[in-house]
Amino acid sequence: EVQLVESGGGLVQPGRSLKLSCAASGFTFSNYYMAWVRQAPKKGLEWVATISTSGSRTYYPDSVKGRFTISRDNAKSSLYLQMNSLKSEDTATYYCARRQSSYSSRGCYFDYWGQGVMVTVSS
Amino acid sequence: NIVLTQSPATLSVTPGESVSLSCRASQSISTSIHWYQQKSNESPRLLIKYASQSISGIPSRFSGSGSGTDFTLSINRVESEDFSIYYCQQSYSSLYTFGSGTKLEIK
Repeated sequence: EVQLVESGGGLVQPGRSLKLSCAASGFTFSNYYMAWVRQAPKKGLEWVATISTSGSRTYYPDSVKGRFTISRDNAKSSLYLQMNSLKSEDTATYYCARRQSSYSSRGCYFDYWGQGVMVTVSS
Repeated sequence: NIVLTQSPATLSVTPGESVSLSCRASQSISTSIHWYQQKSNESPRLLIKYASQSISGIPSRFSGSGSGTDFTLSINRVESEDFSIYYCQQSYSSLYTFGSGTKLEIK
């Protein structure tokens, strides 16, 4: 059974840093691209970061580029999100998600999601 | 960025009715659209991939259609467990974006 378990959330002051972790199990972690998706309270979903299988390639939207860093440790089947210079608008539930693709169709989707971890940025 | 516009924002229906939810893309995205269901206080769940491809374990009353810029998620004979929020997501661009969601509520 695929499981993704996030940890590391909490209350943090604006301008400070926080690192989220996601422990994966039930599949060969090193074979999959992974991602973080967030959801502000009562709002929709926003993709935050994607990382390749080896970790050599990373992708971010402009809203977090330069502040957030996604990384992974395949030996530990773990995914991370280092968040620096946090802003109030980063307040959200952060989901770890497995990215899946198809040889016959363009693009990718998220087939498994963790339960999410809450990050609150406030003074 | 590719913008996805979902409509309506809220849809009020009676159990047993059939419904269609719309997702429109700001540019042509072929069939690179995926649909998710999110129940209250739960994580999103994948319902449909690549506009119309079914997902193992998802009830057959859920189906998807469309290509280019206009996409539809259909639910045949809504059941009580289906009342939740539905999101579309595009992957035509590697800068993935989601629609703002359609809330399906009980009338």
